[in-house]
Amino acid sequence: GAVVSQHPSRVICKSGTSVKIECRSLDFQATTMFWYRQFPKQSLMLMATSNEGSKATYEQGVEKDKFLINHASLTLSTLTVTSAHPEDSSFYICSAFSGGGTDTYNEQFFGPGTRLTVL
Amino acid sequence: GNSVTQMEGPVTLSEEAFLTINCTYTATGYPSLFWYVQYPGEGLQLLLKATKADDKGSNKGFEATYRKETTSFHLEKGSVQVSDSAVYFCALSPGANSKLTFGKGITLSVRP
Repeated sequence: GAVVSQHPSRVICKSGTSVKIECRSLDFQATTMFWYRQFPKQSLMLMATSNEGSKATYEQGVEKDKFLINHASLTLSTLTVTSAHPEDSSFYICSAFSGGGTDTYNEQFFGPGTRLTVL
Repeated sequence: GNSVTQMEGPVTLSEEAFLTINCTYTATGYPSLFWYVQYPGEGLQLLLKATKADDKGSNKGFEATYRKETTSFHLEKGSVQVSDSAVYFCALSPGANSKLTFGKGITLSVRP
């Protein structure tokens, strides 16, 4: 099946620094990528929808200036957490949407996630 | 808005026991319904899905039936294995290319 990778798998940074997380679709082209945040023992919360070549669409309550998303190619989207603070510590997951099949509702393929810890 | 409610966990079962994980949803129209599984250290994987009322999704011995009258999509397996230990998420999507709304997830642990 389709594979989505994320890098890094875990990162520890100091408060005030910026961290970039990459999401790559390895064997297919993804016109749409989604970024989620997952708190311990809680559900995945959608942060933003990223379409290749256009600006990301952010969910209500998500600061677009803090969580910068770039989707420069059909296989790569990046999430940059700017001026990170301890409350930004979380598990960030991306998914890539694979369309074009015969299935009426096409599938999102998920990356393994990135654990961010801000000290 | 759309929402998905899963039963509270965690769930611990012995191998070969019967599994039911409840999921109910709130949505307008006719959403597609999904079960995703997250094995330790891995990303979410689609386990099964159903796109219209009365459809039954099935995979790896798991089944779930889209019940519009009860707005439910309960996950069942007749005989669980230790390898089924994972976190299970119920989710819905209003339509093709649409974003997913997830339930909170439930951790299943299967004892040998």
